Amino acid sequence: GAVVSQHPSWVICKSGTSVKIECRSLDFQATTMFWYRQFPKQSLMLMATSNEGSKATYEQGVEKDKFLINHASLTLSTLTVTSAHPEDSSFYICSAPDLGYEQYFGPGTRLTVT
Amino acid sequence: DAKTTQPPSMDCAEGRAANLPCNHSTISGNEYVYWYRQIHSQGPQYIIHGLKNNETNEMASLIITEDRKSSTLILPHATLRDTAVYYCIVRPREGAQKLVFGQGTRLTINP
Repeated sequence: GAVVSQHPSWVICKSGTSVKIECRSLDFQATTMFWYRQFPKQSLMLMATSNEGSKATYEQGVEKDKFLINHASLTLSTLTVTSAHPEDSSFYICSAPDLGYEQYFGPGTRLTVT
Repeated sequence: DAKTTQPPSMDCAEGRAANLPCNHSTISGNEYVYWYRQIHSQGPQYIIHGLKNNETNEMASLIITEDRKSSTLILPHATLRDTAVYYCIVRPREGAQKLVFGQGTRLTINP
């Protein structure tokens, strides 16, 4: 199956700083990618839909100015957590559908804000 | 909101078949049933999907009731590595649709 990678796999940052997380589709192109957030012992919650060449679509309650999404190319989407705070500590996961609409998930990025 | 309901947890002995139920009573005619699993601290992994016929692959079997209101994922010979949270999701096959995850079933395989 297709492969989606994320970088970094884990990151620790200080409160008030910004962190960028990359999501790449390695062997297929994705005009759309999805970003999820998962808190401990909870399910995945969709944050936003990343669209190549246009603005991202955010789910209700997700601050677009705090979670900046840039879909720079057909294989790369980035999520930037701006002015991170401890409550932003979470597991961030991206997914990308291939041309057959089957979705593939990245391995996730563990963010810890101290 | 998720369109599926699943038991929050299940236990199964290693080597036995694990049967995970899912209720999707409001499923639409164009929606497929998808199963994913998430091993601790990893991204979800695709398992299997189906529309109305039973399906089998190298990982599992999917049994969908005739009225399509429920389904069962079967892991025929569970191993310790099958311990994970299993998610049942309904979605149209066509289009780059976002996936809405419910709480899933936490399956624990016991030695």
